[in-house]
Amino acid sequence: DAGITQSPRHKVTETGTPVTLRCHQTENHRYMYWYRQDPGHGLRLIHYSYGVKDTDKGEVSDGYSVSRSKTEDFLLTLESATSSQTSVYFCAISESRLARTNEQFFGPGTRLTVL
Amino acid sequence: QKEVEQNSGPLSVPEGAIASLNCTYSDRGSQSFFWYRQYSGKSPELIMFIYSNGDKEDGRFTAQLNKASQYVSLLIRDSQPSDSATYLCAVTDAGGTSYGKLTFGQGTILTVHP
Repeated sequence: DAGITQSPRHKVTETGTPVTLRCHQTENHRYMYWYRQDPGHGLRLIHYSYGVKDTDKGEVSDGYSVSRSKTEDFLLTLESATSSQTSVYFCAISESRLARTNEQFFGPGTRLTVL
Repeated sequence: QKEVEQNSGPLSVPEGAIASLNCTYSDRGSQSFFWYRQYSGKSPELIMFIYSNGDKEDGRFTAQLNKASQYVSLLIRDSQPSDSATYLCAVTDAGGTSYGKLTFGQGTILTVHP
């Protein structure tokens, strides 16, 4: 298994509180991604990073921010959690941006519930 | 808005049969196509990728790509109960600055019954 961990694995929080999810990798891969998964929607990209301090928005970035100060860590912050952000969040990593070789490896996921 | 659509499920097949999973995509410039398997409560894992027109075989799995029709499929031969999972089709963005981003379909739930 690719060396990817996510923390926490489960979290319950209240509406309006800030929440930070952490993704940590030991593979030294350059590219990192945050997805959310909801029934009927597959995986949707929230934000991604193509290097330390280099990040950009994905398909569903509203209400989320990210930071990457080290190659191995990619943080996802919900600035003020809402019930619509209740979801399972997956981090993924990749060592190549080339379309033909871009295999993404996924972390175990974080189940977030916003009450 | 790039779209990836998978055949609606759930799909149920008997053990030993061929399971056929289909996926269409909207961006004609998409270059590579991936099939991920996701067991309930687990993270997705890559089982196949394809980028050239035609068939690609790996054990019991065959991926088929038709870029003219913007269609990719996954065939699972001799289906086993352990193949029961959600199968996700994913497509890379076209272009040199895509940074490897993937667009996923909504997934198809496959159940293989003994």
